[in-house]
Amino acid sequence: EIVLTQSPGTLSLSPGERATLSCRASQSVSSSYLAWYQQKPGQAPRLLIYGASSRATGIPDRFSGSGSGTDFTLTISRLEPEDFAVYYCQQYGSSPPVTFGPGTKVDIK
Amino acid sequence: QVQLVESGGGVVQPGRSLRLSCAASGFTFSSYGMHWVRQAPGKGLEWVAVIWYDGSNKYYADSVKGRFTISRDNSKNTLYLQMNSLRAEDTAVYYCARDRRIAAAGYLPYWYFDLWGRGTLVTVSS
Repeated sequence: EIVLTQSPGTLSLSPGERATLSCRASQSVSSSYLAWYQQKPGQAPRLLIYGASSRATGIPDRFSGSGSGTDFTLTISRLEPEDFAVYYCQQYGSSPPVTFGPGTKVDIK
Repeated sequence: QVQLVESGGGVVQPGRSLRLSCAASGFTFSSYGMHWVRQAPGKGLEWVAVIWYDGSNKYYADSVKGRFTISRDNSKNTLYLQMNSLRAEDTAVYYCARDRRIAAAGYLPYWYFDLWGRGTLVTVSS
């Protein structure tokens, strides 16, 4: 089973700043089968990125994903007030089972 | 409106059973594989189970294998999760989620999720 580690655990930033979130896998994720989700309190997760770098339908272009192998990054170019949330990465290259990272919380500084 | 709505959660004693339902609307339910994903209070996400669009294949997380059963009724646009021998560590919000891949020849799910329900809380406690 592939274990995902996310860093930092919490990222404190101001609106308009750039956010860089990291996801590291315990072994190579085949074919860059990595997704990112956003979750706000009391809500279900929302798919942001799949295939490491493809934006899901309706996702603003300030969200971008990159990486391959064991190291992946989610970048939010300019934080909007609605972007403060918890972000999870998920690998699906070695499934079942799919596995999720523990999450990075982006909160307001 | 494209949506998934879970129901059936509640408080149950250890060792007892519970069945969750997930009602789909606004899309062709019978064309999509479906998953259950859970989230313990204050914790991260854990994949639980998947079922192919036609019910022909099912897979489970090791943590629930032999205790939980995923099923679907495409005539009712509904997904189910039968949970037996419940344990305290099964306490979580349970989400149903749609696999992004639509049914096609040689179907295999994509194993990531483009539509989620709002979840239903299951609390296992004496």
